[in-house]
Amino acid sequence: RKEVEQDPGPFNVPEGATVAFNCTYSNSASQSFFWYRQDCRKEPKLLMSVYSSGNEDGRFTAQLNRASQYISLLIRDSKLSDSATYLCVATYSSASKIIFGSGTRLSIRP
Amino acid sequence: DGGITQSPKYLFRKEGQNVTLSCEQNLNHDAMYWYRQDPGQGLRLIYYSQIVNDFQKGDIAEGYSVSREKKESFPLTVTSAQKNPTAFYLCASSIGQGISAGANVLTFGAGSRLTVL
Repeated sequence: RKEVEQDPGPFNVPEGATVAFNCTYSNSASQSFFWYRQDCRKEPKLLMSVYSSGNEDGRFTAQLNRASQYISLLIRDSKLSDSATYLCVATYSSASKIIFGSGTRLSIRP
Repeated sequence: DGGITQSPKYLFRKEGQNVTLSCEQNLNHDAMYWYRQDPGQGLRLIYYSQIVNDFQKGDIAEGYSVSREKKESFPLTVTSAQKNPTAFYLCASSIGQGISAGANVLTFGAGSRLTVL
C-alpha cells in the first residue's frame, strides 16, 4: 500500500463547477500536509498548506481528517486555468519523510 | 529574486555515460532534495541533504550520486549503473531543520528532462 494515495482521475468537469478530491495517508505519525499544483511538464508549486481546523484560500478549501487519515481539496467555481495535476503531500518529522501522492489530474472544460 | 536554478533543462545521454545535473539555490535553505518523476507518476525521492557535507539516500538512490559541498549547491550525477534514467528530475529545497509545517514547504526548480538515446 502506498503511504499517500490519490485517485489519479482524470476529473473532467465544466467551468463553474465545484470539484473535490481526497487523499489518504497510511502513517498516523504524519505531521503536516500540503497540496501542490503541477502544470503539464512544469515543476510542482505549493497551492496551500492544510491545517487541522481546515483552511480556505479564495475558491480553494482544504480539510484534514486525522481520525480517518485523509485530506481533501475543494475547488469552487472552477476556472479553465485550474486544469492541472494536484499533488497531495504528507510530511513527518525527519526530512526524508516528505511523501508525495501520485497526483489527481483535473481538466476543466468550457 | 530568490529561487532554485536547475541546468540543463534538457539533456540527452548515450547509454553508459555519466551525466551531472546542476541545482543551485539562493534561498538560504538548509535542506535540498532530488526527486525523479516518470510520466503519469508522482515524485520519488532520490537523495536529500539537511546540511552541508551531509546527505542521505532516498527511496531510489541506486545508480545516482550527490554531493553537498556548499549550502547553495546540490548536484546530482546519474551514473551508468542507473538502468532506466530517462525521466524528469526535480530539485527542491526547504528551510528544513524545524518542526513547523513551514519548515517542510518545498520550493522546486524548473526541472531537468533527461533522455537516454
